Amino acid sequence: AQKITQTQPGMFVQEKEAVTLDCTYDTSDPSYGLFWYKQPSSGEMIFLIYQGSYDQQNATEGRYSLNFQKARKSANLVISASQLGDSAMYFCAMRESPYGGATNKLIFGTGTLLAVQP
Amino acid sequence: GAVVSQHPSRVICKSGTSVKIECRSLDFQATTMFWYRQFPKQSLMLMATSNEGSKATYEQGVEKDKFLINHASLTLSTLTVTSAHPEDSSFYICSARDNDFPGAKNIQYFGAGTRLSVL
Repeated sequence: AQKITQTQPGMFVQEKEAVTLDCTYDTSDPSYGLFWYKQPSSGEMIFLIYQGSYDQQNATEGRYSLNFQKARKSANLVISASQLGDSAMYFCAMRESPYGGATNKLIFGTGTLLAVQP
Repeated sequence: GAVVSQHPSRVICKSGTSVKIECRSLDFQATTMFWYRQFPKQSLMLMATSNEGSKATYEQGVEKDKFLINHASLTLSTLTVTSAHPEDSSFYICSARDNDFPGAKNIQYFGAGTRLSVL
């Protein structure tokens, strides 16, 4: 069965520093997609970054990068130059088959609450 | 980026009444939308997959008659909580899959959510 694990319930980071949010996954399917979403206190879920299991390079989107280590089944999110507005809950998620499929369901981790300190 | 609109953002209702929540994809067509429920300080729990023009697929343990889903067009899905009770109070959030235009990565884009309080 698919599983996403986020072992950090909460983290602090100083403004302008980089932070890594951990995510490990478990799946028997060779084809899958990995996602990170940000959920501020307002509740909306904001898509940050995507990594396909067959992608050769680590995904990057502005200050966000995904450290994809396939053999270790980890997909850590790195936020560079943290800003106060980055304070939020961050969820890692996985979907079988990176290009869609019969279900396209997302399995979410339990989330990491990030607090950026001035 | 793809935009999903969800309305209302907050609703307070009396026990026994029904509440309808709308989820619209504003700048793309979505044959598939998803409805989630989130309890305080917890992760998202998938309730059902909404398919345009066909019946929704519900997750195990979700009451079909309690949570009615209608996906009547390629840009609109609705969730109706029927005969709502206090235990239905929760944060409901929808998403739409961007699989219907060239270059799409089948990413789920989320609405802003609806906070339902049943008194």
